[in-house]
Amino acid sequence: EPEVTQTPSHQVTQMGQEVILRCVPISNHLYFYWYRQILGQKVEFLVSFYNNEISEKSEIFDDQFSVERPDGSNFTLKIRSTKLEDSAMYFCASSEMGLETQYFGPGTRLLVL
Amino acid sequence: AQKITQTQPGMFVQEKEAVTLDCTYDTSDPSYGLFWYKQPSSGEMIFLIYQGSYDQQNATEGRYSLNFQKARKSANLVISASQLGDSAMYFCAMREDISNFGNEKLTFGTGTRLTIIP
Repeated sequence: EPEVTQTPSHQVTQMGQEVILRCVPISNHLYFYWYRQILGQKVEFLVSFYNNEISEKSEIFDDQFSVERPDGSNFTLKIRSTKLEDSAMYFCASSEMGLETQYFGPGTRLLVL
Repeated sequence: AQKITQTQPGMFVQEKEAVTLDCTYDTSDPSYGLFWYKQPSSGEMIFLIYQGSYDQQNATEGRYSLNFQKARKSANLVISASQLGDSAMYFCAMREDISNFGNEKLTFGTGTRLTIIP
């Protein structure tokens, strides 16, 4: 069964460093999302992406964040200068059509020291 | 106001019993979708079941069913014949279909930690 994949599964970085989180959505899906979950808290929406454009972004998704679909398969989230509070699990999700179910990847656990 | 409310932070249930996880929602949008996801201790988010606001019948997927009461704005998840592998965090989420983009975000509740006792 097709699934969303994410790499790396874990990343440890120093405050102020740039990180890139990678996702490969399900191949025939057109809509892509990033969410994050701070430890012990609920899942929060970051950004949605369709047709090579950001469709919507949350207040969390400030200028330090960017997304890109560099080729036909990858979807990346970049954090330019990480802060301690960026430590969280980051989930990529995709859906075939916009109102269809969003399928989540296994997540990348980011720890900023 | 919270858009999704899950009032049970934790539940303990005997194996093989049925369990109901509560979820209430708040929206003024006539078109929306409700989802339940399971998050085991390993951390991934597993889609379980979906209910659309216009669906006439309650959704079912194997041992999972969604008790959708539109007038009360509730979408409770029912797991029948619980198994040890059902122990996990369960999140209710809502998508409000408010734009023409079609890729609306999910808003999640705070989750319920379900523990199945052998």
